[in-house]
Amino acid sequence: QKEVEQNSGPLSVPEGAIASLNCTYSDRVSQSFFWYRQYSGKSPELIMSIYSNGDKEDGRFTAQLNKASQYVSLLIRDSQPSDSATYLCAVPTYNQGGKLIFGQGTELSVKP
Amino acid sequence: GAVVSQHPSRVICKSGTSVKIECRSLDFQATTMFWYRQFPKQSLMLMATSNEGSKATYEQGVEKDKFLINHASLTLSTLTVTSAHPEDSSFYICSARDREIADEKLFFGSGTQLSVL
Repeated sequence: QKEVEQNSGPLSVPEGAIASLNCTYSDRVSQSFFWYRQYSGKSPELIMSIYSNGDKEDGRFTAQLNKASQYVSLLIRDSQPSDSATYLCAVPTYNQGGKLIFGQGTELSVKP
Repeated sequence: GAVVSQHPSRVICKSGTSVKIECRSLDFQATTMFWYRQFPKQSLMLMATSNEGSKATYEQGVEKDKFLINHASLTLSTLTVTSAHPEDSSFYICSARDREIADEKLFFGSGTQLSVL
C-alpha cells in the first residue's frame, strides 16, 4: 500500500459545480494533513491544512478529515476554470522522521 | 506565507556538466530544507533532506555523490547535479520548513527545470 494515495484522475467538472478530491494515508499516527495545488510547470502552493477530525472551511475550499478511516478530502465549491490544476495531498510520516510524503496528485479540469 | 527563493528557474546544459541550484528562505530561518524531483505527469519524489550544519540525508536510490547538497546557513541550501546526463532532466523543487512554527507544512521554491542535452 502506498503511503499516500489519491485518484490520479483526470477529474472533470463543469464550472460552478463542486469538485471532490480524495486522499487516503497509511501512517495511523499522522496528525497533520495538507493540500497543495500545482499548476502545470509551477511548484506546489499550499491551499489547506487540517489537523483535527471534521471539516475546515476556507473560502470555497473545505478540507475534511477522518482519522479513524485514514481519509482526508478536499471540496471545492463553485469550481472555476482557474481551479484547473493538479491537487496534491501531503502527509508527514512520523516513522520516517516527519518527512512530508505526497500522493500522486489528482488532475482537476473545470470546464466553462 | 513564508517565501522561498529558488534559482535558476531554468537550466539547459550539455551532458557531463555540473549544475548548481540555490534555495533561500527569505523571511524565515530553516534548519531543514527538502529537495524534490518531479518528472512530467508524476508526483513529487523526495530526494534528500538538507540539515543546516550537517550532512544531508538521502532517500533510497538517490546517489549522494551525484546530487551534492550543502546547507551552510539557516537560509541557504544548494543542490549540485554533478556530471549531468539526459536522464537527470527533470523539475527540481526545494522546500523549507520554518523552524519557528511547530508544524510540518512546507513552503516551496519556484522550481528549476533542468534540461540536459
